[in-house]
Amino acid sequence: KAGVTQTPRYLIKTRGQQVTLSCSPISGHRSVSWYQQTPGQGLQFLFEYFSETQRNKGNFPGRFSGRQFSNSRSEMNVSTLELGDSALYLCASSFSGVHEQYFGPGTRLTVT
Amino acid sequence: QQQVKQSPQSLIVQKGGISIINCAYENTAFDYFPWYQQFPGKGPALLIAIRPDVSEKKEGRFTISFNKSAKQFSLHIMDSQPGDSATYFCAASIRANAGGTSYGKLTFGQGTILTVHP
Repeated sequence: KAGVTQTPRYLIKTRGQQVTLSCSPISGHRSVSWYQQTPGQGLQFLFEYFSETQRNKGNFPGRFSGRQFSNSRSEMNVSTLELGDSALYLCASSFSGVHEQYFGPGTRLTVT
Repeated sequence: QQQVKQSPQSLIVQKGGISIINCAYENTAFDYFPWYQQFPGKGPALLIAIRPDVSEKKEGRFTISFNKSAKQFSLHIMDSQPGDSATYFCAASIRANAGGTSYGKLTFGQGTILTVHP
């Protein structure tokens, strides 16, 4: 089976802009979780989607949002970018959200 | 209640030695404890995982030891190799009674940078 794919791999944006990141889960997996990884805060949970519904959300501002499509692919959006949003954004795919999570390679976002 | 504390932050081991990384958790509802390995420029890769009804799990050179009463678990890498040099993360989640705020959420430790010298 193909692994989790994320696009784009690298992104440079300017403060105030918005960005959309994409994640394609492992075939057959219906749950997609998103995480933010920074040197200071480590890996932090953003939200989880299952069957096009957000079931869980971490402690991030409303500027961070996401959605999931009927084929389980997911996107996350960050509006009004801030310098502190620079991070590696990882998505993880799971069969149901309570099974093992498998991570993609991440999208490296740099906000200038 | 949701924290997972990991130590040490960094670890240097000679080739052939044993690497030991420790984690402690607070939330007694956690019932699934995976370890992830991350190389630079890559996403975390699932290494090994344990559930609290087992005190030890071994897969090749990797062993998880679990102490439920102390709320601690550790990763042991036997015969450490230079190729094991990476960042290791412990994590915890709720599986058996998942709902609401636990769906799809792994709570991670801060990570340990392991360097194995040849």
